[in-house]
Amino acid sequence: AQKVTQAQTEISVVEKEDVTLDCVYETRDTTYYLFWYKQPPSGELVFLIRRNSFDEQNEISGRYSWNFQKSTSSFNFTITASQVVDSAVYFCALSEAGSNYQLIWGAGTKLIIKP
Amino acid sequence: DAMVIQNPRYQVTQFGKPVTLSCSQTLNHNVMYWYQQKSSQAPKLLFHYYDKDFNNEADTPDNFQSRRPNTSFCFLDIRSPGLGDTAMYLCATSRERPGGSYNEQFFGPGTRLTVL
Repeated sequence: AQKVTQAQTEISVVEKEDVTLDCVYETRDTTYYLFWYKQPPSGELVFLIRRNSFDEQNEISGRYSWNFQKSTSSFNFTITASQVVDSAVYFCALSEAGSNYQLIWGAGTKLIIKP
Repeated sequence: DAMVIQNPRYQVTQFGKPVTLSCSQTLNHNVMYWYQQKSSQAPKLLFHYYDKDFNNEADTPDNFQSRRPNTSFCFLDIRSPGLGDTAMYLCATSRERPGGSYNEQFFGPGTRLTVL
């Protein structure tokens, strides 16, 4: 069973628009971590954020913000005032205590920012 | 800057010709991973080392082997590459936290392998 679902395969927006990438996860563990990674066309996976299951505070980092809601098992990622450089594939991932903290990846969302 | 380095960045090999990919890190992390990522897919874990302890994923083909001679270096050996092994190979590192959980993984730039 898929444990991390990124339902949006591809999103295309015009520069300066806000965009939200959805991530829904499934776990029975009470201790787990959620991650977002960015993969630009160059291929390198860039770590963006790590959130543990006991911390539901939303986080903002510049134009990036994350909304963690345990009630809906979601960990959504919003880019405000998008820029062309934000174009990439974004992966949401889960690591669980019961799986020895290995990363369980979503399928990724390809984000295209048009100038 | 502390980082994860992979060499080569691009590798072309012939069907059946052994190939070795290398990864080095200056982060002094005790865990190192190898992933395979095919086009438009998420990374797939092949194996990982916790210090010198090797952990193979159940579905990793026997064709893939790994060596970790010291903390800084890790190698991926593909003994007889097939056409289906064409992919990006990503190395990652992380540091184990007290209590057994792992910190976030930091990735190298990857090696794009093409098998002809």
